[in-house]
Amino acid sequence: DQQVKQNSPSLSVQEGRISILNCDYTNSMFDYFLWYKKYPAEGPTFLISISSIKDKNEDGRFTVFLNKSAKHLSLHIVPSQPGDSAVYFCAASDAGGTSYGKLTFGQGTILTVHP
Amino acid sequence: GAGVSQSPSNKVTEKGKDVELRCDPISGHTALYWYRQSLGQGLEFLIYFQGNSAPDKSGLPSDRFSAERTGGSVSTLTIQRTQQEDSAVYLCASNRPGLQETQYFGPGTRLLVL
Repeated sequence: DQQVKQNSPSLSVQEGRISILNCDYTNSMFDYFLWYKKYPAEGPTFLISISSIKDKNEDGRFTVFLNKSAKHLSLHIVPSQPGDSAVYFCAASDAGGTSYGKLTFGQGTILTVHP
Repeated sequence: GAGVSQSPSNKVTEKGKDVELRCDPISGHTALYWYRQSLGQGLEFLIYFQGNSAPDKSGLPSDRFSAERTGGSVSTLTIQRTQQEDSAVYLCASNRPGLQETQYFGPGTRLLVL
């Protein structure tokens, strides 16, 4: 039972354009959502998060949108840069608005940004 | 400061052998997590230690898997009688309580069972 799903295995974008990565979840108990970025042979690194009491969180070029009624979140990267090329994982937690508890991850989306 | 470290970085073993994977969390982090990533899959939760509380072992796939955390710091994940389907990257993460605290991951141990 996949509680967090990233239905696009890959995404290819031109440098300078917007990258939109999508994530759907089924567990209504999830109250905190995170995006991690992973380069080959490295562990995931935290990018941005959002609590379920918000519908948008922005940090520089990265914005995460949460639509609770649709159980959907998305990560927008504007403008995209070649260094953003990596695997992006969506993760969710039901630990009272924190990540102090187990995370449930999606399968990941491979983002390629072409110069 | 120092991040989460894991050893070995790579491990090749024969089916049926036991393996031990080690994780050194960030100093002061009270929670420690083990996940694994099989080829083409997302990260799968295995086990979670939180301070002195009993660990959450709900993600361990079989009784061949066990983990301990000694002294509230270093953790060892042990896989007994390894099988080929155990081949994966085993990732350790740590964090501490707090609304803004995220889980910090180590580089992982790549396990290949022949």
